Amino acid sequence: DIQMTQSPSSVSASVGDTVTITCRASQGITTWLAWYQQRPGRAPKLLIYAASSLQSGVPSRFSGGGSGTDFTLTISSLQPEDFATYYCQQSDSFPSLTFGGGTRVEIK
Amino acid sequence: EVQLVESGGGLIQPGGSLRLSCAASGFIVRNDYMTWVRQAPGKGLEWVSVIYVAGSTYYVDSVKGRFTISRDNSKNTLYLQMNSLRAEDTAIYYCARVTYGGVTRGYYFDYWGQGTLVTVSS
Repeated sequence: DIQMTQSPSSVSASVGDTVTITCRASQGITTWLAWYQQRPGRAPKLLIYAASSLQSGVPSRFSGGGSGTDFTLTISSLQPEDFATYYCQQSDSFPSLTFGGGTRVEIK
Repeated sequence: EVQLVESGGGLIQPGGSLRLSCAASGFIVRNDYMTWVRQAPGKGLEWVSVIYVAGSTYYVDSVKGRFTISRDNSKNTLYLQMNSLRAEDTAIYYCARVTYGGVTRGYYFDYWGQGTLVTVSS
């Protein structure tokens, strides 16, 4: 099974800050990586697919990068609605799919 | 507008059975991969099962032999039959549509339902 490791597990930041979250795969997954945002009490929402492609309707302050085993999600100019938990997900081993453990972005 | 609405969750005793439903609108379930993902209280996301367009089904090891994913094309609805439930199956269960973006993009979940809570406890 491909394991996905996110870091940090939580980060404190202020409105207007830039935050970068890292996701590392236990083996190469090319660019078959997606990022999701989950606000408290809500379903996850797709932000980015194919490592760097922005889902329709998602603000451009979200960006993704990387390939192989190392990936990043960057949130520029944090907004109040961005305080949430973020998950990466690999699909290289489809139909077996795995998520990272999540990164909670908290208000400082 | 694409919408997914889950139902069927509740409190069930260990060893019991439950069937979750996911009613879809705005797209045709039989034309897409569909999946179930769960989230235990205070924990992260865990993929549970997927059904292919052609009908093939796959499961995470922890539910193999106990859970069955299926769909009713006439009702445009996805199901998850859960048998021999255990305390560790307690979670919010989400259904989601899976989109294949192509050889350079992979698979991703572009639409999610609101989730239904399953609690396994005596």
